[in-house]
Amino acid sequence: SYELTQPPSVSVSPGQTARITCSGDALPKQYAYWYQQKPGQAPVLVIYKDSERPSGIPERFSGSSSGTTVTLTISGVQAEDEADYYCQSADSSATGVVFGGGTKLTVL
Amino acid sequence: EVQLVQSGAEVKKPGESLRISCKGSGYSFTSYWISWVRQMPGKGLEWMGRIDPSDSYTNYSPSFQGHVTISADKSISTAYLQWSSLKASDTAMYYCARLYLDSSGYYFDYWGQGTLVTVSS
Repeated sequence: SYELTQPPSVSVSPGQTARITCSGDALPKQYAYWYQQKPGQAPVLVIYKDSERPSGIPERFSGSSSGTTVTLTISGVQAEDEADYYCQSADSSATGVVFGGGTKLTVL
Repeated sequence: EVQLVQSGAEVKKPGESLRISCKGSGYSFTSYWISWVRQMPGKGLEWMGRIDPSDSYTNYSPSFQGHVTISADKSISTAYLQWSSLKASDTAMYYCARLYLDSSGYYFDYWGQGTLVTVSS
């Protein structure tokens, strides 16, 4: 079955830049989406179509794509950004949804 | 305001049946697919399947096909997730989410608050 691969954890100090990657063979053909999930809360969409930012999401969140890897970048990380982040895309047949395993962002 | 409001937490015994619900409001319920997503304790998000409320067409993740049933009643703008015989391994938080589709792909733009299902003898 199709998989999206994320690093389990990323740690950064406040004010630094965090980069979270997501790899999948179908990503050159399918858009990726990113969700932030804080403890005890439902996920929230932070990036759609690889690099678009929904209204209400701070400008420090950005996304990019290169080949089979997409990257969520958080510039000037703040303590409130500490959360789990999940990438999502369509599966290889474009009929289902697949999530990455999630990355825990720790703000030191 | 778009809202998805889920039914409350459930505690069940193995072998029991269960149906949880997700009521949409603030938008045309039949214009967007609804998906269900499982999150086991301390684990990641898993897509279970989706339903088109306009005609109740469904498709499931292979991992969940045959284990759960997704349905909808468009007259009351509500989607359901149902088990006929629960197992302890069904213990998880379950989220419904609205699936936004366009020509470029699909993603979840609104989420319910989650329903915690605990299965224990």
